[in-house]
Amino acid sequence: GIQVEQSPPDLILQEGANSTLRCNFSDSVNNLQWFHQNPWGQLINLFYIPSGTKQNGRLSATTVATERYSLLYISSSQTTDSGVYFCAVEGSGTYKYIFGTGTRLKVLA
Amino acid sequence: EAEVAQSPRYKITEKSQAVAFWCDPISGHATLYWYRQILGQGPELLVQFQDESVVDDSQLPKDRFSAERLKGVDSTLKIQPAELGDSAMYLCASSQEDRAGGELFFGEGSRLTVL
Repeated sequence: GIQVEQSPPDLILQEGANSTLRCNFSDSVNNLQWFHQNPWGQLINLFYIPSGTKQNGRLSATTVATERYSLLYISSSQTTDSGVYFCAVEGSGTYKYIFGTGTRLKVLA
Repeated sequence: EAEVAQSPRYKITEKSQAVAFWCDPISGHATLYWYRQILGQGPELLVQFQDESVVDDSQLPKDRFSAERLKGVDSTLKIQPAELGDSAMYLCASSQEDRAGGELFFGEGSRLTVL
């Protein structure tokens, strides 16, 4: 099955810093999503981005499907950005989403 | 804003007991998913429904887990008997698209602790 790898596994930033999270996948995909898991465990949708670039406030994401990776950019990080970021991909022809292992982000005040 | 509803939020049970989780997807969403997330890991798919039919339950431990979506709307996931290793977050998600992807929306999850 498709493999999804995220890097870095852990990241510590000072408030105001920028960061880039990466998601690599091993096969072609139909869909890709980025989520933020809050401290209570809920997965919050950030981007639905099978290809191209999207921006939402301080966050933006780019997926280059032909090269099998996606990037999540966080600018001017805030303490509320802390948590775990997951990417999930739906492999072509599989009809189900597979999650990566996540990037645990901690933003210090 | 429409949400996926799950209950209970927290459940503590003793091993060998039965436990059940309920999920009500966003209205009109045909596809419903149950995921299990062990602490420190990413969610893993347990079962996927298209309307009332199971389309993927390959990772569901069928000796103790069962899932149903009788009328193609809400769904119940049951564990009987619960084991210590079942302690995890159980997440329900729904998608509007027929089978082939579409954006996933998750509920708040049900956190299970087995003593």
